[in-house]
Amino acid sequence: EDQVTQSPEALRLQEGESSSLNCSYTVSGLRGLFWYRQDPGKGPEFLFTLYSAGEEKEKERLKATLTKKESFLHITAPKPEDSATYLCAVQDDSNYQLIWGAGTKLIIKP
Amino acid sequence: ETGVTQSPTHLIKTRGQQVTLRCSSQSGHNTVSWYQQALGQGPQFIFQYYREEENGRGNFPPRFSGLQFPNYSSELNVNALELDDSALYLCASSSHLEIGETQYFGPGTRLLVL
Repeated sequence: EDQVTQSPEALRLQEGESSSLNCSYTVSGLRGLFWYRQDPGKGPEFLFTLYSAGEEKEKERLKATLTKKESFLHITAPKPEDSATYLCAVQDDSNYQLIWGAGTKLIIKP
Repeated sequence: ETGVTQSPTHLIKTRGQQVTLRCSSQSGHNTVSWYQQALGQGPQFIFQYYREEENGRGNFPPRFSGLQFPNYSSELNVNALELDDSALYLCASSSHLEIGETQYFGPGTRLLVL
């Protein structure tokens, strides 16, 4: 059964303090790993799609990486506006549905 | 380009009632998926529609049903509402039916069942 686990559940950082969020997954055949950002009471906002181990993608202060068992979302010199819940989801090769983790709540203090 | 829109934004119902939620997909997108997100949890897949037909369903009972229209907009209907149905309901669209295709989400409808 496909499974996604995100850690930590919550992370508090000072502005400018870099860190990484983890997404561990178990899937029969990975077709895509997706990162989204979600602000309170709003829909998830797409960040990245990764398809194969070794792939990396960057956007502003965020960088996503993928191995065969996990993905990391690295945040460099974060700002308070980066505060949000970051969600990870996977899609396997037999199904169109996304399987989601519970998210990491990131709080950046000024 | 217009993004995914959902209506209403908030809704309060009582147990046993029925509700219809609406979603307009992003321009050029023909696939719509619906998700339920409880507070503090990741979204749970309800079902997906492609060209007006259900293309996959998650672990939800038959009282959750849907429709997709020729313009690719979609409805989610929930009958016999239960207290546990209180959640954020999310609609997502993608440009075509392909595994690995990115899904883009609307702002959601917050449903409260009393």
